[in-house]
Amino acid sequence: SQELEQSPQSLIVQEGKNLTINCTSSKTLYGLYWYKQKYGEGLIFLMMLQKGGEEKSHEKITAKLDEKKQQSSLHITASQPSHAGIYLCGARYPGSSNTGKLIFGQGTTLQVKP
Amino acid sequence: DGGITQSPKYLFRKEGQNVTLSCEQNLNHDAMYWYRQDPGQGLRLIYYSQIVNDFQKGDIAEGYSVSREKKESFPLTVTSAQKNPTAFYLCASSMGSGSLYEQYFGPGTRLTVT
Repeated sequence: SQELEQSPQSLIVQEGKNLTINCTSSKTLYGLYWYKQKYGEGLIFLMMLQKGGEEKSHEKITAKLDEKKQQSSLHITASQPSHAGIYLCGARYPGSSNTGKLIFGQGTTLQVKP
Repeated sequence: DGGITQSPKYLFRKEGQNVTLSCEQNLNHDAMYWYRQDPGQGLRLIYYSQIVNDFQKGDIAEGYSVSREKKESFPLTVTSAQKNPTAFYLCASSMGSGSLYEQYFGPGTRLTVT
Protein backbone atom coordinates (compact mmCIF):
# COMPACT_ATOMS: atom_id res chain seq x y z
CA SER A 1 0.00 0.00 0.00
CA GLN A 2 1.05 3.55 -0.72
CA GLU A 3 2.62 5.59 2.11
CA LEU A 4 0.99 8.73 0.73
CA GLU A 5 -2.45 8.49 -0.86
CA GLN A 6 -4.06 11.13 -3.03
CA SER A 7 -7.74 11.34 -3.86
CA PRO A 8 -9.36 11.54 -6.23
CA GLN A 9 -7.07 10.11 -8.92
CA SER A 10 -8.76 12.28 -11.52
CA LEU A 11 -11.25 15.09 -11.53
CA ILE A 12 -13.28 16.86 -14.21
CA VAL A 13 -14.96 20.10 -13.21
CA GLN A 14 -16.84 22.85 -14.98
CA GLU A 15 -15.05 26.19 -15.16
CA GLY A 16 -15.97 28.34 -12.19
CA LYS A 17 -16.59 25.44 -9.82
CA ASN A 18 -14.66 24.82 -6.60
CA LEU A 19 -12.76 21.59 -6.00
CA THR A 20 -10.70 19.84 -3.35
CA ILE A 21 -7.83 17.35 -3.63
CA ASN A 22 -6.79 15.32 -0.61
CA CYS A 23 -3.46 13.86 0.46
CA THR A 24 -3.38 11.36 3.33
CA SER A 25 -0.29 9.97 5.03
CA SER A 26 -0.04 6.72 6.96
CA LYS A 27 2.24 8.43 9.50
CA THR A 28 2.98 11.89 10.89
CA LEU A 29 4.66 14.26 8.46
CA TYR A 30 7.66 16.52 8.94
CA GLY A 31 6.58 18.70 6.00
CA LEU A 32 4.12 18.54 3.11
CA TYR A 33 4.67 20.02 -0.36
CA TRP A 34 2.20 20.65 -3.14
CA TYR A 35 3.34 20.73 -6.76
CA LYS A 36 1.61 21.18 -10.09
CA GLN A 37 2.71 19.49 -13.32
CA LYS A 38 1.65 19.94 -16.92
CA TYR A 39 1.78 16.62 -18.75
CA GLY A 40 5.32 15.88 -19.97
CA GLU A 41 6.86 18.79 -18.08
CA GLY A 42 8.60 19.42 -14.78
CA LEU A 43 6.94 20.14 -11.43
CA ILE A 44 6.11 23.65 -10.31
CA PHE A 45 6.24 24.31 -6.56
CA LEU A 46 2.96 25.64 -5.11
CA MET A 47 3.17 25.59 -1.31
CA MET A 48 4.82 23.93 1.67
CA LEU A 49 3.13 23.25 5.00
CA GLN A 50 4.94 22.33 8.18
CA LYS A 51 2.85 23.10 11.25
CA GLY A 52 -0.30 21.29 12.33
CA GLY A 53 -3.34 23.39 11.45
CA GLU A 54 -1.37 25.52 9.02
CA GLU A 55 -3.10 27.08 6.03
CA LYS A 56 -1.56 28.90 3.07
CA SER A 57 -3.10 30.58 0.07
CA HIS A 58 -1.83 31.75 -3.29
CA GLU A 59 -4.25 33.40 -5.67
CA LYS A 60 -7.22 30.99 -5.80
CA ILE A 61 -5.44 27.97 -4.31
CA THR A 62 -5.52 27.18 -0.58
CA ALA A 63 -3.64 24.34 1.11
CA LYS A 64 -4.25 23.11 4.65
CA LEU A 65 -2.50 20.64 6.95
CA ASP A 66 -4.53 19.01 9.73
CA GLU A 67 -3.60 19.24 13.41
CA LYS A 68 -2.27 15.68 13.48
CA LYS A 69 -0.06 16.39 10.45
CA GLN A 70 -1.30 13.36 8.54
CA GLN A 71 -3.71 14.88 6.06
CA SER A 72 -3.56 17.84 3.71
CA SER A 73 -6.08 19.31 1.32
CA LEU A 74 -5.69 21.57 -1.71
CA HIS A 75 -8.71 23.68 -2.52
CA ILE A 76 -9.19 25.61 -5.75
CA THR A 77 -11.84 28.31 -5.81
CA ALA A 78 -13.60 29.29 -9.05
CA SER A 79 -11.54 26.97 -11.24
CA GLN A 80 -10.16 28.14 -14.58
CA PRO A 81 -8.73 26.23 -17.55
CA SER A 82 -5.27 27.37 -16.43
CA HIS A 83 -5.69 25.24 -13.31
CA ALA A 84 -5.75 22.06 -15.37
CA GLY A 85 -2.84 19.66 -14.85
CA ILE A 86 -1.54 17.06 -12.42
CA TYR A 87 -1.34 17.96 -8.75
CA LEU A 88 1.14 16.06 -6.61
CA CYS A 89 1.72 16.08 -2.90
CA GLY A 90 5.16 15.25 -1.56
CA ALA A 91 6.00 14.43 2.05
CA ARG A 92 9.07 14.70 4.22
CA TYR A 93 9.09 12.38 7.21
CA PRO A 94 10.97 12.82 10.50
CA GLY A 95 13.37 9.94 9.78
CA SER A 96 14.50 11.53 6.51
CA SER A 97 14.81 15.07 7.82
CA ASN A 98 18.53 15.26 6.92
CA THR A 99 18.33 13.74 3.46
CA GLY A 100 15.77 15.98 1.81
CA LYS A 101 14.03 12.85 0.55
CA LEU A 102 10.46 13.37 -0.64
CA ILE A 103 7.80 10.67 -0.92
CA PHE A 104 5.18 11.51 -3.52
CA GLY A 105 1.54 10.61 -3.89
CA GLN A 106 0.26 9.17 -7.16
CA GLY A 107 -1.00 12.52 -8.38
CA THR A 108 -4.47 13.91 -9.18
CA THR A 109 -5.24 14.80 -12.78
CA LEU A 110 -7.52 17.83 -13.06
CA GLN A 111 -9.45 18.81 -16.17
CA VAL A 112 -11.41 22.06 -16.25
CA LYS A 113 -14.15 22.27 -18.88
CA PRO A 114 -14.78 25.74 -20.34
CA ASP B 1 17.91 33.18 -15.55
CA GLY B 2 18.49 30.64 -12.78
CA GLY B 3 17.12 27.19 -13.18
CA ILE B 4 17.61 23.53 -13.95
CA THR B 5 18.19 22.20 -17.43
CA GLN B 6 17.82 18.63 -18.57
CA SER B 7 18.82 17.35 -21.93
CA PRO B 8 17.69 15.96 -24.20
CA LYS B 9 13.89 16.29 -23.90
CA TYR B 10 13.36 12.95 -25.67
CA LEU B 11 15.80 10.05 -25.85
CA PHE B 12 15.53 6.78 -27.71
CA ARG B 13 17.82 3.80 -27.16
CA LYS B 14 18.04 0.18 -28.06
CA GLU B 15 17.84 -2.42 -25.33
CA GLY B 16 21.27 -3.31 -23.96
CA GLN B 17 22.76 0.15 -24.37
CA ASN B 18 23.73 2.44 -21.53
CA VAL B 19 22.48 6.02 -21.74
CA THR B 20 23.37 9.15 -19.77
CA LEU B 21 20.85 11.86 -18.92
CA SER B 22 22.16 15.33 -18.27
CA CYS B 23 21.12 17.62 -15.39
CA GLU B 24 22.65 21.06 -14.81
CA GLN B 25 21.65 23.76 -12.31
CA ASN B 26 22.86 27.33 -11.90
CA LEU B 27 21.00 27.97 -8.63
CA ASN B 28 24.09 27.31 -6.50
CA HIS B 29 22.16 24.52 -4.75
CA ASP B 30 24.01 21.95 -2.68
CA ALA B 31 21.51 19.10 -2.99
CA MET B 32 20.40 17.38 -6.20
CA TYR B 33 17.97 14.53 -6.87
CA TRP B 34 16.90 12.15 -9.60
CA TYR B 35 13.33 10.85 -9.78
CA ARG B 36 11.56 8.50 -12.09
CA GLN B 37 7.88 9.00 -12.98
CA ASP B 38 5.67 6.24 -14.33
CA PRO B 39 1.95 6.59 -15.12
CA GLY B 40 -0.19 6.34 -11.98
CA GLN B 41 2.81 5.97 -9.63
CA GLY B 42 3.88 9.51 -8.84
CA LEU B 43 7.62 10.10 -8.50
CA ARG B 44 10.15 7.67 -7.06
CA LEU B 45 13.63 8.64 -5.87
CA ILE B 46 16.55 7.05 -7.71
CA TYR B 47 19.63 8.80 -6.29
CA TYR B 48 20.37 11.96 -4.39
CA SER B 49 23.44 14.02 -3.57
CA GLN B 50 23.74 16.36 -0.62
CA ILE B 51 27.16 17.70 -1.55
CA VAL B 52 29.80 17.49 -4.27
CA ASN B 53 31.60 14.13 -4.53
CA ASP B 54 28.95 12.40 -2.41
CA PHE B 55 25.70 10.65 -3.32
CA GLN B 56 23.31 8.07 -1.86
CA LYS B 57 20.92 5.50 -3.26
CA GLY B 58 17.24 6.27 -3.21
CA ASP B 59 14.37 3.79 -3.28
CA ILE B 60 14.95 2.39 -6.78
CA ALA B 61 18.70 2.71 -7.48
CA GLU B 62 19.22 -0.71 -9.08
CA GLY B 63 20.34 -0.40 -12.70
CA TYR B 64 21.27 3.27 -12.36
CA SER B 65 24.50 5.15 -11.56
CA VAL B 66 25.34 8.79 -10.91
CA SER B 67 28.30 11.09 -10.35
CA ARG B 68 28.63 14.48 -8.67
CA GLU B 69 32.03 15.88 -9.66
CA LYS B 70 30.79 19.46 -9.91
CA LYS B 71 28.24 21.31 -7.79
CA GLU B 72 26.14 22.27 -10.80
CA SER B 73 26.04 18.88 -12.52
CA PHE B 74 24.44 15.53 -11.57
CA PRO B 75 24.29 13.17 -14.57
CA LEU B 76 22.32 9.92 -14.40
CA THR B 77 23.36 6.80 -16.32
CA VAL B 78 20.69 4.24 -17.08
CA THR B 79 22.54 0.95 -17.53
CA SER B 80 21.52 -2.16 -19.41
CA ALA B 81 20.86 -3.77 -16.01
CA GLN B 82 17.76 -1.60 -15.51
CA LYS B 83 14.88 -3.93 -16.41
CA ASN B 84 12.24 -1.32 -17.26
CA PRO B 85 14.09 1.86 -18.26
CA THR B 86 11.31 3.46 -20.31
CA ALA B 87 10.02 6.31 -18.15
CA PHE B 88 9.98 10.07 -17.58
CA TYR B 89 13.07 11.18 -15.62
CA LEU B 90 13.08 14.31 -13.51
CA CYS B 91 16.04 16.05 -11.92
CA ALA B 92 15.61 18.40 -8.97
CA SER B 93 17.76 20.54 -6.72
CA SER B 94 17.36 22.30 -3.38
CA MET B 95 19.40 24.75 -1.34
CA GLY B 96 20.14 22.05 1.18
CA SER B 97 18.69 18.82 2.50
CA GLY B 98 18.43 19.39 6.25
CA SER B 99 15.72 22.04 6.41
CA LEU B 100 12.40 22.10 4.60
CA TYR B 101 13.73 23.70 1.42
CA GLU B 102 11.56 23.25 -1.64
CA GLN B 103 12.92 21.21 -4.50
CA TYR B 104 13.09 22.88 -7.91
CA PHE B 105 12.51 20.59 -10.85
CA GLY B 106 13.89 20.49 -14.37
CA PRO B 107 11.68 19.97 -17.45
CA GLY B 108 12.37 16.23 -17.56
CA THR B 109 13.71 13.71 -20.09
CA ARG B 110 11.46 11.08 -21.60
CA LEU B 111 13.48 7.92 -22.24
CA THR B 112 12.17 5.21 -24.53
CA VAL B 113 14.05 1.93 -24.79
CA THR B 114 13.03 -0.59 -27.45
